Amino acid sequence: AAGVIQSPRHLIKEKRETATLKCYPIPRHDTVYWYQQGPGQDPQFLISFYEKMQSDKGSIPDRFSAQQFSDYHSELNMSSLELGDSALYFCASSPRQGRTDTQYFGPGTRLTVL
Amino acid sequence: GEDVEQSLFLSVREGDSSVINCTYTDSSSTYLYWYKQEPGAGLQLLTYIFSNMDMKQDQRLTVLLNKKDKHLSLRIADTQTGDSAIYFCAESPTAGNKLTFGGGTRVLVKP
Repeated sequence: AAGVIQSPRHLIKEKRETATLKCYPIPRHDTVYWYQQGPGQDPQFLISFYEKMQSDKGSIPDRFSAQQFSDYHSELNMSSLELGDSALYFCASSPRQGRTDTQYFGPGTRLTVL
Repeated sequence: GEDVEQSLFLSVREGDSSVINCTYTDSSSTYLYWYKQEPGAGLQLLTYIFSNMDMKQDQRLTVLLNKKDKHLSLRIADTQTGDSAIYFCAESPTAGNKLTFGGGTRVLVKP
């Protein structure tokens, strides 16, 4: 079965650089969520989109922005990177139609900021 | 706000049953989930339960929900070495909403 695809899987950036993370949801899933998991931490919700509109916002820094495109893929843009941004970034998708709200997670993008 | 708590660590012998516990504070939690994370890997959905259920069984997994005490547990029968991982419980108050995770329970299965 198709899963959530995230790219790149690993990313190394310098402080103050920018990064773009991409997420391709499971086919026919119209809701996308982004989470950040710091070392030894539990995942923290950043932002979500439903039908290309932002549906909820969590602890996402102002330096970060995200959007969902017409093909339902989503991109997380991160600017002025800081050392503390080093984390595993997960994307999850869920189908609205079933209303079970079951979120399926991608493998994550490991971002290292040097 | 929501708060989800789990014990940090569980050690169990291969073949025994494991029980991982989780408590939550949000009484409006409607959907409760268990995810498994192996080292350096993503979050694998194991099972979920709706708040109008008391129990759900799925092969070796049994989820028990005590809504009055806001207590959720995951029992893994016949625990195998491949079950060694971090297990996260998570809750969501409504469909389409964000997940709030517990801190994770690291399960170590000893041969």
